[in-house]
Amino acid sequence: GIQVEQSPPDLILQEGANSTLRCNFSDSVNNLQWFHQNPWGQLINLFYIPSGTKQNGRLSATTVATERYSLLYISSSQTTDSGVYFCAAMEYGNKLVFGAGTILRVKS
Amino acid sequence: SQTIHQWPATLVQPVGSPLSLECTVEGTSNPNLYWYRQAAGRGLQLLFYSVGIGQISSEVPQNLSASRPQDRQFILSSKKLLLSDSGFYLCAWSAGVKETQYFGPGTRLLVL
Repeated sequence: GIQVEQSPPDLILQEGANSTLRCNFSDSVNNLQWFHQNPWGQLINLFYIPSGTKQNGRLSATTVATERYSLLYISSSQTTDSGVYFCAAMEYGNKLVFGAGTILRVKS
Repeated sequence: SQTIHQWPATLVQPVGSPLSLECTVEGTSNPNLYWYRQAAGRGLQLLFYSVGIGQISSEVPQNLSASRPQDRQFILSSKKLLLSDSGFYLCAWSAGVKETQYFGPGTRLLVL
């Protein structure tokens, strides 16, 4: 089955800094999603992006399907951006495979 | 708009006791439904999914089972809990295969 790897595993930023999170996947995908898990455990959908580029406020994401990676950009980070960011990919069927996540801490 | 509910929010159960976690979705019909487990705060693993009433697919052999008695209701069960069943259980729904999956608030289960 598909393998999903995320980097870096941990990231500490000063408020206002920019960051890039990376997600590599081992095979072509039908579905790729980015999530933010807040301190209460809620998984918040950020992007559904099996290919191309999308932007939502300070966040944007790019997936290069032919090269099997996706990037999540966070600009002008805020303390509320802290949490765990997950990438998840679906190769076929209904199975969404999650990466191990990136733990982000934004310091004020 | 669609909403997804899970209960209870937290649960502490003794080893060997039964389990029933419930998930319901509002605002949509015939959703695909999923149960995931997250251990140690990192990485989610798909346990079960369902594309319709009474249709359950298991991804990982384990001590748990799932049922879908109604179109928008998904239940995760166990007859006898193990210590290793502790974790954070999340239910999700999607409009179809390959579609965006949306997650509920989760249930934290601690087996002692």
